Amino acid sequence: DTAVSQTPKYLVTQMGNDKSIKCEQNLGHDTMYWYKQDSKKFLKIMFSYNNKELIINETVPNRFSPKSPDKAHLNLHINSLELGDSAVYFCASSQRTSAEIIAKNIQYFGAGTRLSVL
Amino acid sequence: ILNVEQSPQSLHVQEGDSTNFTCSFPSSNFYALHWYRWETAKSPEALFVMTLNGDEKKKGRISATLNTKEGYSYLYIKGSQPEDSATYLCAFMDGGFKTIFGAGTRLFVKA
Repeated sequence: DTAVSQTPKYLVTQMGNDKSIKCEQNLGHDTMYWYKQDSKKFLKIMFSYNNKELIINETVPNRFSPKSPDKAHLNLHINSLELGDSAVYFCASSQRTSAEIIAKNIQYFGAGTRLSVL
Repeated sequence: ILNVEQSPQSLHVQEGDSTNFTCSFPSSNFYALHWYRWETAKSPEALFVMTLNGDEKKKGRISATLNTKEGYSYLYIKGSQPEDSATYLCAFMDGGFKTIFGAGTRLFVKA
């Protein structure tokens, strides 16, 4: 059983389209994240949700909208896709219910979604 | 702007060589430092979590040290094996629990 699963694995689409990437974790974690791997291979945080509440919202175009229907899911919806949105997007989860656990806050990553905008 | 820098960017070693690489991070507002191992076509997986100045962690042939006062951590691999080939990421967590990743050190171990 995959702990953090993302779908789809590959997404090829035209500029201007709207698309969604889904993420689900079966680890019972209360916090989920979306990262974008940029052209220099950095993993950059986009969003983080804790118990369905947005806790980190980096400077990301508002065409990107995360949605967390429950603790186990964090989906990423992207409107009006642009060429520069092409990247690999990673979902991750962790548990942060206590100070001790927060300090350990290991993140478990999905396999990534490679988005190509043509 | 918080910067996490890793060096070298890539490293080629022979099987059996020992190697080390560096992660530099802000020395203020430190909460934790994580090391991840990221194999090609897989997801990053946690190696170590380090929270205290002077921490040393070890897992098999891989070990790490932490200096929070000067803002660096070293990762050591003793007797590198081809299966150690991967990208090694460090991630700095600040007091606001925001995690910032370095760009990674790409290790290639030749048999």
